[in-house]
Amino acid sequence: DIQMTQSPSSLSASVGDRVTITCRASQSISSYLNWYQQKPGKAPKLLIFAASSLQSGVPSRFSGSGSGTDFTLTISSLQPEDFATYFCQQTYSAPTFGGGTTVEIK
Amino acid sequence: EVQLVESGGGLVQPGGSLRLSCAASGFTFSTYWMSWVRQAPGKGLEWVAYIKQDGSEKYYVDSVKGRFTISRDNAKNSLSLQMNSLRAEDTAVYYCARGYCSGTSCYRATFDYWGQGTLVTVSS
Repeated sequence: DIQMTQSPSSLSASVGDRVTITCRASQSISSYLNWYQQKPGKAPKLLIFAASSLQSGVPSRFSGSGSGTDFTLTISSLQPEDFATYFCQQTYSAPTFGGGTTVEIK
Repeated sequence: EVQLVESGGGLVQPGGSLRLSCAASGFTFSTYWMSWVRQAPGKGLEWVAYIKQDGSEKYYVDSVKGRFTISRDNAKNSLSLQMNSLRAEDTAVYYCARGYCSGTSCYRATFDYWGQGTLVTVSS
């Protein structure tokens, strides 16, 4: 199985901050990497697919980059509704998820 | 509007069985890969199984192989997960999720719509 490691596991940030979350794969996964947002008690929501493609309806302040083993999710200007947990997921082989990064209010 | 509504969760003893269902609406169910994804309380996400549009291909995470069976009824727009020999570690919220399609390309493991989830608790 391909292991996905996210960092940090949590972070505190203020509205308007630029936030970057990192995801590392245990082997090369090309660009087979998705990002999801999950709020408490809710189902995950697809934000980014294929490492850098923005899902329809997702604000442009979200962006993804990377290929191979190292990937990042960036929120250019954090908004109140962005406080949530973010998961990366590889789809190169049997899908696996990272452990999640919780973005909290500073 | 795409909707996925899970049902069938509950409390079951170790070694017991449970059948989850997912009712789909708002899209042409028969043209999408469908999956089950679970999340243990306070934990991360784990893909469980997916099934091809016509039901001809099914794939499972190793930890459930031989115990869980995914199936679908395209005439009824319904997805199911039969869970046997349940263990404490199967305790989780189980989500039904749709595989993303763009034009004629479908990506079975990219989940663009999710249900609200149904809780399965395995405990004596």
